[in-house]
Amino acid sequence: GQNIDQPTEMTATEGAIVQINCTYQTSGFNGLFWYQQHAGEAPTFLSYNVLDGLEEKGRFSSFLSRSKGYSYLLLKELQMKDSASYLCAVKDSNYQLIWGAGTKLIIKP
Amino acid sequence: ETGVTQTPRHLVMGMTNKKSLKCEQHLGHNAMYWYKQSAKKPLELMFVYNFKEQTENNSVPSRFSPECPNSSHLFLHLHTLQPEDSALYLCASSQGGGDTDTQYFGPGTRLTVL
Repeated sequence: GQNIDQPTEMTATEGAIVQINCTYQTSGFNGLFWYQQHAGEAPTFLSYNVLDGLEEKGRFSSFLSRSKGYSYLLLKELQMKDSASYLCAVKDSNYQLIWGAGTKLIIKP
Repeated sequence: ETGVTQTPRHLVMGMTNKKSLKCEQHLGHNAMYWYKQSAKKPLELMFVYNFKEQTENNSVPSRFSPECPNSSHLFLHLHTLQPEDSALYLCASSQGGGDTDTQYFGPGTRLTVL
């Protein structure tokens, strides 16, 4: 079967750095997506990785290792507004998105 | 600000009611999706429409009936629902096709079935 694993919940301090991991086992791979979802709101697109390596976008970076079936989302200089759920999703060989259950990130002052 | 809108935002219905959820996208996309999101579970894809044609129906019970009259509008008709159908129902749209194709979501309808 296809599976995406990510931690259920993480806690970090304002101003710090946090890394949210995602491991996947899918039938084929056509890219990995990260989304942010604030409580009661729409998931919003953060990043897309299809090649190995690090993609940086301001305070957020996303890393991919296809050989290890592994990705992480790195958030720097954490702000209170970063408190949200972070969803990892992989596009499989049929170009269908397979979703993880999401990681709830709690930021403390 | 999202280019995908959903109404209503909240809905409470009895098991014998009939209601409809509406989604509209203003992004000029060709594909639209319905997802079910339950607490602490992955998003479940329900239906996919490409150019108004249904291309996916992931074994969804017949009490959920989608309708896509054009590329900008998507409906989910609900009837005789069960309490376990209570969830957040998300609509999304995308250009359609390809590995870089990115889905953009609406804010969802929080559905409670009594």
